[in-house]
Amino acid sequence: AQSVTQLDSQVPVFEEAPVELRCNYSSSVSVYLFWYVQYPNQGLQLLLKYLSGSTLVKGINGFEAEFNKSQTSFHLRKPSVHISDTAEYFCAVSGRGSEKLVFGKGTKLTVNP
Amino acid sequence: NAGVTQTPKFRVLKTGQSMTLLCAQDMNHEYMYWYRQDPGMGLRLIHYSVGEGTTAKGEVPDGYNVSRLKKQNFLLGLESAAPSQTSVYFCASRPGATSSYNEQFFGPGTRLTVL
Repeated sequence: AQSVTQLDSQVPVFEEAPVELRCNYSSSVSVYLFWYVQYPNQGLQLLLKYLSGSTLVKGINGFEAEFNKSQTSFHLRKPSVHISDTAEYFCAVSGRGSEKLVFGKGTKLTVNP
Repeated sequence: NAGVTQTPKFRVLKTGQSMTLLCAQDMNHEYMYWYRQDPGMGLRLIHYSVGEGTTAKGEVPDGYNVSRLKKQNFLLGLESAAPSQTSVYFCASRPGATSSYNEQFFGPGTRLTVL
């Protein structure tokens, strides 16, 4: 079975500052990793995913994440955030061959002017 | 393509009433899922289906039933609603096991309140 821990439930930052949202996972098998974003009163939208290959993954809206197998982490980063990045971000893991995704509890990112 | 759609968008029920939430996808996906989202809990899987005519229990299945009579539709039923089922419900779909593209696509959600 897999599990996900998002280490921060809320992250406030100022506009144009860098941000890192932390995600650690646990699994006894190889995994696929995902970050989803949820804007207020909307569904979830995929930001990026790691399936295999390069451990640095680039996604939409200038976000990127790095898969670190030894530390079982998949932290999300953006060098300069905008007001419009205010949303809730979910890390998710799937064991290879599994039909299911396991989600973390989410991190609310608030970007202040 | 509409992607994943959910009906209704909002609903208020009284304790003990029943209702069905409808999820439809037009991407010919094999797998479909029902999640509930509660504050501070993330998304928890209720039931899922890996193909027409199949269903399986997820993490929190009690009090819910599902059916997948057609490939494009996945129904979630509450037979006797309870206040603990007040939540936002999301449907998702993804291609089957033979596809390497295993991202899940989400609907816009249904906000359910049980009084």
